Amino acid sequence: EVQLVESGGGLAQPGGSLRLSCVASGFTFSNQNMNWVRQAPGKGLEWVSYISSSSNTIYYADSVKGRFTISRDNAKNSLYLQMNSLRDEDTAVYYCARDFMPGGIWSGYGLGYWGQGTLVTVSS
Amino acid sequence: SYELTQPPSVSVSPGQTASITCSGDKLGDKYACWYQQRPGQSPVLVIYQDNKRPSGVPERFSGSNSGNTATLTISGTQAMDEADYYCQAWDSSTVVFGGGTKLTVL
Repeated sequence: EVQLVESGGGLAQPGGSLRLSCVASGFTFSNQNMNWVRQAPGKGLEWVSYISSSSNTIYYADSVKGRFTISRDNAKNSLYLQMNSLRDEDTAVYYCARDFMPGGIWSGYGLGYWGQGTLVTVSS
Repeated sequence: SYELTQPPSVSVSPGQTASITCSGDKLGDKYACWYQQRPGQSPVLVIYQDNKRPSGVPERFSGSNSGNTATLTISGTQAMDEADYYCQAWDSSTVVFGGGTKLTVL
């Protein structure tokens, strides 16, 4: 069974930093592309970042470019999101999500597996 | 940037057919996916590549995509289908989500 477990959320001050982690199990992590998606309280889904299985390809939403960094450690079956220069509008539940199938999300496969999310609150 | 537009809400009676639309410029030239999110839960993929269902998704869920509009259709809607639904596409190296549609079964 595919499992994705996020951690690292919490309260941060504006301008501060947080590092989110996602530990994967139930599949060969090194073969799968991964994403971070967030959802502000009472709002819709917003994609944050994508990283390919080998870390060769990385994409970011414009809203986080230059402030957030996605990375992974295939030996530890782990995905990370380093969040710097946090803003109030970064307050959200952050989900770790796996491409449904190899081949890339641009092939229309979507995000087939999601974690339970971790809440990040940015406030002074 | 690319945008996907969904109606904020759709209502349907139990047993009837619900249709949720998603509009975007030349969306039919891209693949559309759909996600269901029940209150307090993580999203679940219900349609990928316009019209394919992942294993475990009931047959009453179907999808289509042509022109500027993708449509999620739920036939014989059940109370358990009450949820938020999001469409999603890929454009210019970004994942784009629609704003979401709250489906009410009443």
